Amino acid sequence: KQEVTQIPAALSVPEGENLVLNCSFTDSAIYNLQWFRQDPGKGLTSLLLIQSSQREQTSGRLNASLDKSSGRSTLYIAASQPGDSATYLCAVRGNTNAGKSTFGDGTTLTVKP
Amino acid sequence: DGGITQSPKYLFRKEGQNVTLSCEQNLNHDAMYWYRQDPGQGLRLIYYSQIVNDFQKGDIAEGYSVSREKKESFPLTVTSAQKNPTAFYLCASSPRQGGDTEAFFGQGTRLTVV
Repeated sequence: KQEVTQIPAALSVPEGENLVLNCSFTDSAIYNLQWFRQDPGKGLTSLLLIQSSQREQTSGRLNASLDKSSGRSTLYIAASQPGDSATYLCAVRGNTNAGKSTFGDGTTLTVKP
Repeated sequence: DGGITQSPKYLFRKEGQNVTLSCEQNLNHDAMYWYRQDPGQGLRLIYYSQIVNDFQKGDIAEGYSVSREKKESFPLTVTSAQKNPTAFYLCASSPRQGGDTEAFFGQGTRLTVV
């Protein structure tokens, strides 16, 4: 059974700092890995989708990497801003078990002005 | 303006009552999903549907029921058999089940037992 772990559970940084969020998974048989942002009481907004054949994806100040063999993904946020404060979730879609997605518990990021 | 619409945003349920959460999408997606989120936790899959008139149990289906009579609609009923229904419920869709497809989410329904 796929298990997804996100470390740290919470992170607080000053504005302007570069930071890395981590996601690890136990089963490397995946279709893709998706990073989401969730604001309090809201739904999930997709940030980046990495296919199993890809190593990284970039969007603006965000860069996500995928190392399938070691079961790890990182989300790099450059020059953090207070508006980046949110919970970040990673989800792994497996290529077994009907392709269902398994979510981590998220990392709650606070960027202080 | 395409997307997923969940209603209501807030829902209160009395003990022993069934309630139904609505999820509608106009993205022409085949696959739809219902997730439950508890405070400080990730999402857990309740039910999913790959095509109309077909759906499958997820990891925590007990106490819930769904239907998929139309491609764009996937309502979730929280029955009285669900002993701890207070949670945040999220609906999602994707072009098809599995594969290299991206999932899109609604804004959620917060259900509280009173």
